[in-house]
Order: sequence, then structure tokens, then C-alpha cells
Amino acid sequence: KAGVTQTPRYLIKTRGQQVTLSCSPISGHRSVSWYQQTPGQGLQFLFEYFSETQRNKGNFPGRFSGRQFSNSRSEMNVSTLELGDSALYLCASSLETGTGVKLFFGSGTQLSVL
Amino acid sequence: AQKITQTQPGMFVQEKEAVTLDCTYDTSDPSYGLFWYKQPSSGEMIFLIYQGSYDQQNATEGRYSLNFQKARKSANLVISASQLGDSAMYFCAMRPNNAGNMLTFGGGTRLMVKP
Repeated sequence: KAGVTQTPRYLIKTRGQQVTLSCSPISGHRSVSWYQQTPGQGLQFLFEYFSETQRNKGNFPGRFSGRQFSNSRSEMNVSTLELGDSALYLCASSLETGTGVKLFFGSGTQLSVL
Repeated sequence: AQKITQTQPGMFVQEKEAVTLDCTYDTSDPSYGLFWYKQPSSGEMIFLIYQGSYDQQNATEGRYSLNFQKARKSANLVISASQLGDSAMYFCAMRPNNAGNMLTFGGGTRLMVKP
């Protein structure tokens, strides 16, 4: 069974541009969550989608957005990129949410903003 | 709000020995789950073990076990018989059971296994 797949693996952008990252969850998983990892702030929750609906949102500006498609694949978008957006963006998927549910992560997309 | 504290930024362990990675948490939620993940230099977060707050027994997964002390709010990871491939960052995380899949992570511990 294939794991969580994130594309692209690496991305270089310049300030002011926008970027779209993609995440394909494990087959059958309906929940997709996104996390940002930086050396300074560590791992921080961005948002979570379940059956195409955003369930939870972290404390990030509106420049960060996401969506989930009917096949559970998810994308996140960052508009008007800033230098501080340079980070590893990790996607996680699970069958459902709640007690006992385990989350499985992908390898991440390393975004560098120049 | 939840908080996870991992007090060991870095640790060394001799190959084949056991090692304990510390994790303490703070939450007002009565029902929650605790996770440990391993992150090698490749960046992928690898699920290791899960413990529910109402689970009566400590979780075990192969060489990994979780020493859960609810009253002390600690969830330490024990790795038995360390291997060179265990060298990585290890993260403890918590999720209230009413918060979907919104995990709060600790700062991580870098484990280095010596041959």
C-alpha cells in the first residue's frame, strides 16, 4: 500500500510569488492535515480537511489556504510568499479522526523562498 | 491549549543498549492521544507508537514502548537494543480526542547511536 505522497519534493520561489503544494493520502484515508516545520518554530499545525471540508485551522495568516478534492487529495496554497515561509511542509493522512486514530506523514515539500 | 516538552535536545546511546526519550505534556482535556514520531534526515515523519489516555496498558510496537504515567503527565519513549538506523530526530506529540487530527508537537530530541 502506497504511503502519503507529496509533490514536489523541493521548490524554490521568490518573495511575492505564490505556490501550490500537493498531497495524495494513503488510499482510503479521508482526513488530510498540513504542518509547517521550521528550525525556529518547530512543527506547527496549519489545517485539516475531512471529506472536502476544512475541520480545523491553525494560527496562520490568510495567505495560507488549502482544499481537498473528492478523491481525498489535498493542495495547500501560499500566496504572496515571504522569506519566513521557507520551511518543510508536511502532510499527514488518516482513515478517520478521533480516539485511537493514527496519523501517517509524507516526506514533505521543502520550500525555499529567496 | 496543549503543551509538549522534550527536555533532551540531544542524546547519545551505545549500539545495542536501551534508551529513554523524555516527554511531558500539559492539557486540560480529559481524553487525548499521545504519539511518537521519528524523523530521519530525509525529512519523513515515521509513526512509531500511539497511547490513548484511557488505555490501561502501556503501548508497545516492536522495539518501541511507551512509559505512560498519566498522573505525572509523562509519556516517555523507550527504544530497546538501539541500532545505528535509529539515529534521527524524535518528536512527541499530543492530540485531544475532540480536536480532529490537530497535533501539538514537542521540540524534538536528536538521538545519535554510537557503534
